[in-house]
Amino acid sequence: GDSVTQMEGPVTLSEEAFLTINCTYTATGYPSLFWYVQYPGEGLQLLLKATKADDKGSNKGFEATYRKETTSFHLEKGSVQVSDSAVYFCALSIGYGNKLVFGAGTILRVKS
Amino acid sequence: GAVVSQHPSWVICKSGTSVKIECRSLDFQATTMFWYRQFPKQSLMLMATSNEGSKATYEQGVEKDKFLINHASLTLSTLTVTSAHPEDSSFYICSARDHDQDTDTQYFGPGTRLTVL
Repeated sequence: GDSVTQMEGPVTLSEEAFLTINCTYTATGYPSLFWYVQYPGEGLQLLLKATKADDKGSNKGFEATYRKETTSFHLEKGSVQVSDSAVYFCALSIGYGNKLVFGAGTILRVKS
Repeated sequence: GAVVSQHPSWVICKSGTSVKIECRSLDFQATTMFWYRQFPKQSLMLMATSNEGSKATYEQGVEKDKFLINHASLTLSTLTVTSAHPEDSSFYICSARDHDQDTDTQYFGPGTRLTVL
């Protein structure tokens, strides 16, 4: 079945450090890929998405590139801030209207 | 745009009672809404898919008679936890897909914390 695997956390970084959160997927078709972020005490927010191979999603300094050959969608940010501390979920969706399949989530903690 | 609200944001109830949670799309029409459950420090588990005007589709292992879902309009879906027990305590999250957008992006509500005593 379709699945998403994320690197385990928590990931602890100092402010202005470079961030990578790995995400790989298994899918029978051609999925759309998403990163969602959940700040403490809040609901999930869409951070970025990519719908086909080689697409790059970006938002708020975060980027992720849809790599079909490695079935990956790693999240990166060049310089993290304390306000980026949250839980990050990688997810996939196949076809219009299909349900989202989430990874386990990765806790990011940024220290000042 | 694309705001989804949930009410209540938290609820405490006694064992054996029923609790209704509302999910509303505030600025768009949602033909499809989804209900998730999230346990502490875990990912979201899809419970059911709710389509306006039709019966919900439940995921394997989810009791449809316990978790009643109604999607009566294009902006409202409700989840009723019937005869709640302490093991039903969890964080319930809904999401909605924009009917007019040519996209499969889901927009999430802020969640409802249910505690059953």
